[in-house]
Amino acid sequence: AQTVTQSQPEMSVQEAETVTLSCTYDTSESDYYLFWYKQPPSRQMILVIRQEAYKQQNATENRFSVNFQKAAKSFSLKISDSQLGDAAMYFCAYSAGNNRKLIWGLGTSLAVNP
Amino acid sequence: DTGVSQDPRHKITKRGQNVTFRCDPISEHNRLYWYRQTLGQGPEFLTYFQNEAQLEKSRLLSDRFSAERPKGSFSTLEIQRTEQGDSAMYLCASSLAGSYGYTFGSGTRLTVV
Repeated sequence: AQTVTQSQPEMSVQEAETVTLSCTYDTSESDYYLFWYKQPPSRQMILVIRQEAYKQQNATENRFSVNFQKAAKSFSLKISDSQLGDAAMYFCAYSAGNNRKLIWGLGTSLAVNP
Repeated sequence: DTGVSQDPRHKITKRGQNVTFRCDPISEHNRLYWYRQTLGQGPEFLTYFQNEAQLEKSRLLSDRFSAERPKGSFSTLEIQRTEQGDSAMYLCASSLAGSYGYTFGSGTRLTVV
């Protein structure tokens, strides 16, 4: 069965600094997607970034980038120039197969200190 | 289209009562997913629909839970004889079949007292 593991329940970063959130996953599929979602206190899940497994190039969205290591089944999120608005729960998620359902990690709570 | 909407935002109910939640997806999206998120946990898949057909149900979904999506538009999730363990956030998401792009609603927070 596919699993997603986030080993950092809480992280903190100083404003304007860089932080990396870790995620590992387990799957026997070769074609899948990986995601990072942000869930602010307002609760709605917001897509931060996604990575297609067959693409070797790491995805980047403005201040957010991933380090995708397919052989190691690792998918970390780097947030550069952290802002106060980045404070939230961050979830790593995996999806594959016809049903495209998301399998989630437990999340990492990120605090940004001014 | 204003995105995925869920109603109500909050629901407090007494143990043993029945509750029903509603999700209105993005109108062009033919897939609709329900997830449950308990405090301090990541969401867990409950069920999903493609158009009006319910294609998969998680083993987490006991017989007290039922979901429908009549006419392939909005969906309802009903919990009968609620238990304290049902207290959670219920999230709805929609997408196009075959796509990996999901839009989430703001969720319904259920508290069973």
